[in-house]
Amino acid sequence: QKEVEQNSGPLSVPEGAIASLNCTYSDRGSQSFFWYRQYSGKSPELIMSIYSNGDKEDGRFTAQLNKASQYVSLLIRDSQPSDSATYLCAVYNFNKFYFGSGTKLNVKP
Amino acid sequence: DVKVTQSSRYLVKRTGEKVFLECVQDMDHENMFWYRQDPGLGLRLIYFSYDVKMKEKGDIPEGYSVSREKKERFSLILESASTNQTSMYLCASSFGGWNQPQHFGDGTRLSIL
Repeated sequence: QKEVEQNSGPLSVPEGAIASLNCTYSDRGSQSFFWYRQYSGKSPELIMSIYSNGDKEDGRFTAQLNKASQYVSLLIRDSQPSDSATYLCAVYNFNKFYFGSGTKLNVKP
Repeated sequence: DVKVTQSSRYLVKRTGEKVFLECVQDMDHENMFWYRQDPGLGLRLIYFSYDVKMKEKGDIPEGYSVSREKKERFSLILESASTNQTSMYLCASSFGGWNQPQHFGDGTRLSIL
């Protein structure tokens, strides 16, 4: 079982819709959770971090964490074609980072 | 802003060559990491370092070594390059601690012919 699991997609949403990206992790002791965006041919860039249960909002992005169910999600409101990218979930646990394989998001104009 | 700089954006080398990939960060980060990223396999950790002259093997260290002589610089060495090492190589750095994210360089796309 992988430490961090993501649906590879692609997830296709129309422009202006809400995109919902999900991630599950295996270790209940995981402490920190991060979302990265990676455009094709580019390196990952950090967009959100979340450490406690609940929601955290930053502009059009909302990260949601549920430690009891061991999942973390990213909502993108008013999706734009420029949001089309692969989104990587990362989990920090006992001095080690674990990355998911990423979900590819396509936002159609 | 955090700046992680990788020495080359694209690199082409021949089988059997010794290859050096350099990474420099300007944020006084304790931790530095080398990953490779291949389609369908995601990010795989090669080596990491928590301090100067300190190194730890990641998930796929075979065929690689690293050097960290100064805090800001972390080098990845392919001892004898092989075609299966053709990949995108990503360097990252972070402060120590459970709540510190990793910050990535632009990557080096390495082709071994």
